[in-house]
Amino acid sequence: DAGVIQSPRHEVTEMGQEVTLRCKPISGHNSLFWYRQTMMRGLELLIYFNNNVPIDDSGMPEDRFSAKMPNASFSTLKIQPSEPRDSAVYFCASSSLRDRATEAFFGQGTRLTVV
Amino acid sequence: KQEVTQIPAALSVPEGENLVLNCSFTDSAIYNLQWFRQDPGKGLTSLLLIQSSQREQTSGRLNASLDKSSGRSTLYIAASQPGDSATYLCAVINAGNMLTFGGGTRLMVKP
Repeated sequence: DAGVIQSPRHEVTEMGQEVTLRCKPISGHNSLFWYRQTMMRGLELLIYFNNNVPIDDSGMPEDRFSAKMPNASFSTLKIQPSEPRDSAVYFCASSSLRDRATEAFFGQGTRLTVV
Repeated sequence: KQEVTQIPAALSVPEGENLVLNCSFTDSAIYNLQWFRQDPGKGLTSLLLIQSSQREQTSGRLNASLDKSSGRSTLYIAASQPGDSATYLCAVINAGNMLTFGGGTRLMVKP
């Protein structure tokens, strides 16, 4: 497996624009996580899904953020409208709820810059 | 709410030294605990997963221990090398499979 795949790797956008981040989890994994990392706040869990169902979205900062998981192999995180304070690295991770002996794996992240 | 703390926040050691990184958590009702490494500008790389029924796990020069009752885990690195320089993060995993991270320990191993 190629691991967790995120796209794009880098995104520069103007304030007010819509941004969509994409994630393909490891095949067979049924838990998917979206994290945001900044120097000030470290790693923050935004939302996670089990079996494509959102379980905890309490970390989603505002209504400007939304996440979907239409099927087991794809998820999106959307920010609309984007603001400069959204600039961060966004990570997607996946793991298995069925096999708790398996590790969680992270993608390489999307570095978002909102100007 | 689960809180995870890592001490120290930063550590600098000479090459060859053995070292211990600490991770503590407030809610002992965890399922698993996982240690990660993050290099600057990169993603997180999994190092070790310890299940709640286990006391320790070993991988090469790394040994991680878990004491659920006291809410502690340690990552022991033997014979440290400059290539070990990175940020080390621990994450506790609850029954719902959610990972909660500590703030990390930034390690520098000097040649």
